[in-house]
Amino acid sequence: RKEVEQDPGPFNVPEGATVAFNCTYSNSASQSFFWYRQDCRKEPKLLMSVYSSGNEDGRFTAQLNRASQYISLLIRDSKLSDSATYLCVLLYSSASKIIFGSGTRLSIRP
Amino acid sequence: DAGITQSPRHKVTETGTPVTLRCHQTENHRYMYWYRQDPGHGLRLIHYSYGVKDTDKGEVSDGYSVSRSKTEDFLLTLESATSSQTSVYFCAIIPRELLQETQYFGPGTRLLVL
Repeated sequence: RKEVEQDPGPFNVPEGATVAFNCTYSNSASQSFFWYRQDCRKEPKLLMSVYSSGNEDGRFTAQLNRASQYISLLIRDSKLSDSATYLCVLLYSSASKIIFGSGTRLSIRP
Repeated sequence: DAGITQSPRHKVTETGTPVTLRCHQTENHRYMYWYRQDPGHGLRLIHYSYGVKDTDKGEVSDGYSVSRSKTEDFLLTLESATSSQTSVYFCAIIPRELLQETQYFGPGTRLLVL
């Protein structure tokens, strides 16, 4: 079983819709969690950290469920510019142990 | 912007030739990483470095070597390139030596091995 699993998508939703996707992980020793965004032919860029209490950044909400071992990303009022691949990232206590999900592709249509 | 550059940005080479990719950072970061990204596999760690002359293997290190003789440069070498090493290669750094920091990436190098 992969340490991190993401639905590859693609999720194809209309502009203005709310979309959510999850990332499940298998190792409960994971310490920190992040969401990255990657545009086509570009490098991954940090979108937001994920805190146990849940956190928001504008239209984006990230949540962590340690009991069920998943993190989620919710995007409200989606924009065309939100089209990208979203990667979940797990960081263990050692800086050498960072695990990336393979990404969920999101496409926003007009 | 974490001040990371990669060179070359694109390269086409032939099977069996050696290839060296360079990652350069200007902000004295200690931790540096090399990844490859392939469809269906996501980002996979090749090698990483905790400082000058301090490197270690990652998940997919076979066929790759690295060197870090200066803080600012982390070199990835394919000793004898194979078609399976066709990929996009990303360098990354952790901006501080705190365990909870995550990574920032360079722009990537697209390598095609014919």
